[in-house]
Amino acid sequence: GAGVSQSPSNKVTEKGKDVELRCDPISGHTALYWYRQSLGQGLEFLIYFQGNSAPDKSGLPSDRFSAERTGGSVSTLTIQRTQQEDSAVYLCASSGQGSYEQYFGPGTRLTVT
Amino acid sequence: QQQVKQSPQSLIVQKGGIPIINCAYENTAFDYFPWYQQFPGKGPALLIAIRPDVSEKKEGRFTISFNKSAKQFSLHIMDSQPGDSATYFCAARGYNFNKFYFGSGTKLNVKP
Repeated sequence: GAGVSQSPSNKVTEKGKDVELRCDPISGHTALYWYRQSLGQGLEFLIYFQGNSAPDKSGLPSDRFSAERTGGSVSTLTIQRTQQEDSAVYLCASSGQGSYEQYFGPGTRLTVT
Repeated sequence: QQQVKQSPQSLIVQKGGIPIINCAYENTAFDYFPWYQQFPGKGPALLIAIRPDVSEKKEGRFTISFNKSAKQFSLHIMDSQPGDSATYFCAARGYNFNKFYFGSGTKLNVKP
């Protein structure tokens, strides 16, 4: 079946603009994660959604970052007033109910000029 | 505090060699230890994972060795091939955590 998809694959934006990044998890997966990966670095946890529970937002770096998940499926990560340090690859992953196995999307490469 | 420490940062081996990547963790509540493989421009892909009730797990040419008392685990790649050249990440998670803790990654280059 289809894997995790993300859009856009690349996004170039000017400093100060808002951006929205989209994630379509694997159908039926209840858990959804967002990560940030800076060039040559590891994965930085941003936010976790599990079913209808309140999301774990403990990894969001500032109040400019927010995310929502509609209908327990598609998720959107929004970055307001983008800064150059926001430039990174944003990865989404999903897991099935009761499973720890994460399946990652291809990521969105964000460049803030 | 870095929950999972990974080494080395980079590794070069000849084809057929056995690269070994090591990770150490702090929290004894972790109960799931996966390894991910990431090619340039792609998202990480789950390679192999282990639970702490076993000391070794093999899947094809990939083996995880797990030392619970030392709080360490490692990835061995048997008969490495140039196609294995990628960045490898270890991670850890516990049942009472909402997230995975990732190592900093190891860039592996297998020379023909």
